[in-house]
Amino acid sequence: AQSVAQPEDQVNVAEGNPLTVKCTYSVSGNPYLFWYVQYPNRGLQFLLKYITGDNLVKGSYGFEAEFNKSQTSFHLKKPSALVSDSALYFCAVRARGGATNKLIFGTGTLLAVQP
Amino acid sequence: NAGVTQTPKFQVLKTGQSMTLQCAQDMNHEYMSWYRQDPGMGLRLIHYSVGAGITDQGEVPNGYNVSRSTTEDFPLRLLSAAPSQTSVYFCASSSPGLAGGRGQDTQYFGPGTRLTVL
Repeated sequence: AQSVAQPEDQVNVAEGNPLTVKCTYSVSGNPYLFWYVQYPNRGLQFLLKYITGDNLVKGSYGFEAEFNKSQTSFHLKKPSALVSDSALYFCAVRARGGATNKLIFGTGTLLAVQP
Repeated sequence: NAGVTQTPKFQVLKTGQSMTLQCAQDMNHEYMSWYRQDPGMGLRLIHYSVGAGITDQGEVPNGYNVSRSTTEDFPLRLLSAAPSQTSVYFCASSSPGLAGGRGQDTQYFGPGTRLTVL
């Protein structure tokens, strides 16, 4: 069965420091991996995805994520955090060959960036 | 484009009442989905559709019905609301990926409906 784990409920980081939000997955075969962000009282917004190719994926708002097949991880990173990055971040996975709308989401990580 | 729209934004029901959550998209997406979001549990797929006239169950379908008579609309019906259905509901739409896994393959979410069942 497919699953996604986000081991940290909350990540705290000072503005200007690098940030990492962790995600590990379990899926048979090579996965499609996604990161979404949710601002308060809003729907989810797409940040980036890994389909194939370069393991380092660049997305919106300066975020990037690195696909590591051996560690089954897809951690979200940003070199310099902004207060406006404070939000709830979701990692999601889909098995290849499955319907594109059958995503399995992690439980979410709240990112808090202090000024 | 309005994207994905959901109505109502907020709703309070009594146990046993029925209601329909509306979802519409104007991007001509074939795929549409309903999720519920609960604290500490992330988003869980309720039902999904890969085209007009085609629907299927997700992870947590019990207590919910869907239909897809048009490409644009994908309503979610609660026939007899229960307190366990108190949640925030999100509708999403997407286009299928092209052959080989490339293509759009990105889900667009509506703003959500916050439902409370007393």
